[in-house]
Amino acid sequence: DAGVIQSPRHEVTEMGQEVTLRCKPISGHDYLFWYRQTMMRGLELLIYFNNNVPIDDSGMPEDRFSAKMPNASFSTLKIQPSEPRDSAVYFCASSPQGYEQYFGPGTRLTVT
Amino acid sequence: KQEVTQIPAALSVPEGENLVLNCSFTDSAIYNLQWFRQDPGKGLTSLLLIQSSQREQTSGRLNASLDKSSGRSTLYIAASQPGDSATYLCAVLSGNTPLVFGKGTRLSVIA
Repeated sequence: DAGVIQSPRHEVTEMGQEVTLRCKPISGHDYLFWYRQTMMRGLELLIYFNNNVPIDDSGMPEDRFSAKMPNASFSTLKIQPSEPRDSAVYFCASSPQGYEQYFGPGTRLTVT
Repeated sequence: KQEVTQIPAALSVPEGENLVLNCSFTDSAIYNLQWFRQDPGKGLTSLLLIQSSQREQTSGRLNASLDKSSGRSTLYIAASQPGDSATYLCAVLSGNTPLVFGKGTRLSVIA
């Protein structure tokens, strides 16, 4: 298995632009998680899905952030409009039963 | 609300030394605890997972212990090598909440 796949690996955009991050979980995993990592706050859970259904989005910082999982093999995290304080590394992780998580390589987002 | 703390934030040791990384958590009602490794610019790799009913897990030179009652876990690395240099994160699964992470310990092993 190729593991969790994220794209793009790096994204540089200007403030106010829309940003879409993509994730392909490991096949057969029922859970998908989106995290954000910064030096100041560490690793924070944004949202997670079980069987494509959002379970907990309490970590989503603002209405500018939205996440979807249209099918078991694909998820997106969208930021619209982006702001400089959104600059961070965004990780996607998947899990077969919610207990042990497997992380993707992350997307480094820079908003200028 | 579960909180996870890791001390120290950074550690530098000479090659060959045995070392211990510490993790503490505030709510002892946990399902499991995981130790991850993160290399610069990379994702997280799971090292060890300890179920709440277990006291320790071992993998090669790594040994993780869990003391639920005191809210503590340690990661012991034997005979450290420069390739062990990375950030080590502790994460706890409890209640209906997904993993809660500590901020990590950045380890440097000097040749």
